[in-house]
Amino acid sequence: GQQVMQIPQYQHVQEGEDFTTYCNSSTTLSNIQWYKQRPGGHPVFLIQLVKSGEVKKQKRLTFQFGEAKKNSSLHITATQTTDVGTYFCAGSGTGANNLFFGTGTRLTVIP
Amino acid sequence: DSGVTQTPKHLITATGQRVTLRCSPRSGDLSVYWYQQSLDQGLQFLIQYYNGEERAKGNILERFSAQQFPDLHSELNLSSLELGDSALYFCASSVAHQGGTDTQYFGPGTRLTVL
Repeated sequence: GQQVMQIPQYQHVQEGEDFTTYCNSSTTLSNIQWYKQRPGGHPVFLIQLVKSGEVKKQKRLTFQFGEAKKNSSLHITATQTTDVGTYFCAGSGTGANNLFFGTGTRLTVIP
Repeated sequence: DSGVTQTPKHLITATGQRVTLRCSPRSGDLSVYWYQQSLDQGLQFLIQYYNGEERAKGNILERFSAQQFPDLHSELNLSSLELGDSALYFCASSVAHQGGTDTQYFGPGTRLTVL
């Protein structure tokens, strides 16, 4: 079955440092979505990538979709304490009707 | 606030019991999805309903069932509860039926504790 793995599982950074989480799928994805879950909260949609090699930016966040559409990354520049939370990627295979969520990367930002 | 509501917020029950979790989607959304999130685990997709019909099924146990009513709210029924069923249960909704590509809006979740 389809699997979406994320690394690292945990990441502690000093405030101001950069952060990257990587998402890898065992199969080709039709699209990849990223969600953020604050501690004690619920997942919140951040962005969706559809095209091979696509790069999108949201302020300090940069999202990439791999050329083979099997991997993705989220990079945060100059982390802030408000970035704390767990970042999930979620993808679906071609024709699939549900999202497979990655295992998540829990980010801690040390002030 | 995503616009998705879930009740109850917390639920504590005993093994062997049955519980019902309720979800109301965002206004205008026709799809409802149920996910299970165990401690330090990712989100496991359970089931999707679109406009009252089952649309997709994930790793949902036979002891669990769901339905979506004409007013589009959904209920997740968990029976013969086991300790391992303790988890956060999220409901999400989206406009259309394409669970693989639609943006999903998550509710605040129901925390189930089975003692």
